[in-house]
Parts: sequence; C-alpha cells; structure tokens
Amino acid sequence: AQKVTQAQTEISVVEKEDVTLDCVYETRDTTYYLFWYKQPPSGELVFLIRRNSFDEQNEISGRYSWNFQKSTSSFNFTITASQVVDSAVYFCALSEAEGAASKLTFGTGTRLQVTL
Amino acid sequence: DAGVIQSPRHEVTEMGQEVTLRCKPISGHDYLFWYRQTMMRGLELLIYFNNNVPIDDSGMPEDRFSAKMPNASFSTLKIQPSEPRDSAVYFCASSPDRGRVAGANVLTFGAGSRLTVL
Repeated sequence: AQKVTQAQTEISVVEKEDVTLDCVYETRDTTYYLFWYKQPPSGELVFLIRRNSFDEQNEISGRYSWNFQKSTSSFNFTITASQVVDSAVYFCALSEAEGAASKLTFGTGTRLQVTL
Repeated sequence: DAGVIQSPRHEVTEMGQEVTLRCKPISGHDYLFWYRQTMMRGLELLIYFNNNVPIDDSGMPEDRFSAKMPNASFSTLKIQPSEPRDSAVYFCASSPDRGRVAGANVLTFGAGSRLTVL
C-alpha cells in the first residue's frame, strides 16, 4: 500500500524567511510519481510539480525548489524568501506509474502561514 | 479552457435529504476523479472513471453514495440520504490518458463543492 507522510502539521514563518516542507513516502512500486499541490485559502488545489522516480535531479522554479532523495524516500519542498501569498496548505502526493490513470494518494498537508 | 467546473460551490442541507454534486471535466480528458476532503481523513479518492466508465469505486464510503458519468462532459456524485458525517469538500478532477499524452498524469482539480449536512 502507498503512504505519504507530512509530519509538519503547521509552520509559521516571517516573510523573507526560507522554509522547507517535508514529505516522506512509502511504496512497493519501483516506478512511481510524486507531486506537490498547493491549496490557498480560496480552497482550490493547484498543481505545482510532478517528479518521476527515475529522475532524482533537484528542480528549481523561481523561489520554489524540490529535493528528491530516493535513498530516504523523501521529496521535500523549499520556498526561498517566503511571501505572504505563499500562505496555504501544501500537499505531497504519490501515484503508481502502471496503468493509464493517476490515482493520487495524498499526505495530510502542511499549513504554511507567512506573516509580515 | 475553463478548467474543471463544479457546482454547487456551497450546499447546506438537512439530514435525510438527497444531494447531487455536479462536475464538468476539461474537454478531451479521459479520466475523471471524485475526491473528498475532511479534517479527519484528509483527501481521499472516492471513485474514478475512464471514458465515462467507472473503473474503481472502492473508495465510495457506502451505498448511500453513487456516481455517474452519462457523457464525456458531465458527472454527478449523489448522496441519498445525506448524513451530518458526509459534510466535507468534494473535489472533482480530470486528466488525460497518460498513455497517449506525455506528462498526462497531472490531475486538474475543480474548485470543490462544500457540503454541510445539518
């Protein structure tokens, strides 16, 4: 069975601080996909990134970066120079690679509060 | 494209009433998913369809829940009779068939339908 653990329930930072959101996953599949989604206060789920299990390169997109380490089954998300607009709940998710559909297994989410 | 469209955005009803939630997926997407979000259980998959056919409904909590997809552009999730423990945000999401489209397994979510059963 697949499982995603986000141990940090809530994080509060002051604007411009860097913050890392942790994600640890469990799967028996050798091929799988990892995702991060953002849920702002308005409630919708916004896709941020997808990474497949064969690609361990870290990725940077503006102030966002992701660190995928297969050896520790982790896929952590760092926001550099956080801003108030980053305040949201962030979900890590996992899906198997077999088959044509992506059934996502979500973690419980980390609520990030960025204050001035 | 307007994205995944869900209605109603908010629904307040009384226990025992029938509730119908609606979803219009992104045109051309072959897969449609219904998720439920609660504080206690987080985001959980209820059911998903491929080309209008239900593939996996193992997440549907009980017989009071049913879902249909009569055509490629419309799906419904029905709860009859509703109970207070059904109060949650229900999300619909769609995705292309990743066998046909590179990078296709990204789910695009609707804005959600917040259901409150009194």
